[in-house]
Amino acid sequence: GDSVTQMEGPVTLSEEAFLTINCTYTATGYPSLFWYVQYPGEGLQLLLKATKADDKGSNKGFEATYRKETTSFHLEKGSVQVSDSAVYFCALSDLTGGTSYGKLTFGQGTILTVHP
Amino acid sequence: SAVISQKPSRDICQRGTSLTIQCQVDSQVTMMFWYRQQPGQSLTLIATANQGSEATYESGFVIDKFPISRPNLTFSTLTVSNMSPEDSSIYLCSVVTRSSGNTIYFGEGSWLTVV
Repeated sequence: GDSVTQMEGPVTLSEEAFLTINCTYTATGYPSLFWYVQYPGEGLQLLLKATKADDKGSNKGFEATYRKETTSFHLEKGSVQVSDSAVYFCALSDLTGGTSYGKLTFGQGTILTVHP
Repeated sequence: SAVISQKPSRDICQRGTSLTIQCQVDSQVTMMFWYRQQPGQSLTLIATANQGSEATYESGFVIDKFPISRPNLTFSTLTVSNMSPEDSSIYLCSVVTRSSGNTIYFGEGSWLTVV
């Protein structure tokens, strides 16, 4: 079945540092890829997504590129802020209309803490 | 777009009791799903709520424990039955619709604590 693997956390950075959270996936077909963020005590928010190979998703300074050849979707941000402290989830879903249409498979989540 | 309202947003429940969570969407959607997020863990799919028929459960989840209804294209309920402290989790409703470009939406979640 489909699976998503994220880098082990937690990740602790100083403000303005560069962030990379690695995400690789295993899937049949051509999944869409997502990054979700969960701030402390809050619900799940979509951060960015990419629906096909070589697509780049971006939002709030975060970027991730859909790399089919390496089955990866690494999250990056050039300069993190304290307010970026949260849990980040990589996920995939088949949105082509198959039997798994709309189901999300999540990675284990990566806790990011940014210090001033 | 789709706006999802989940109720209750939070609750503290006694062990052995059951609680029903409601998910109301402001537009008709193609698919509705229920997920569970246990403390400090990732999200796991419980089941697909099928309109007018029995839900489709993922491995490890059964109808007796998590009965689900979906009477129409905008509403679903998830019941957590005979609760134990291990059921303390966030339960999230998710919807997707082809008419909105296959966008996946999540409700705010229902945060349940079983004591």
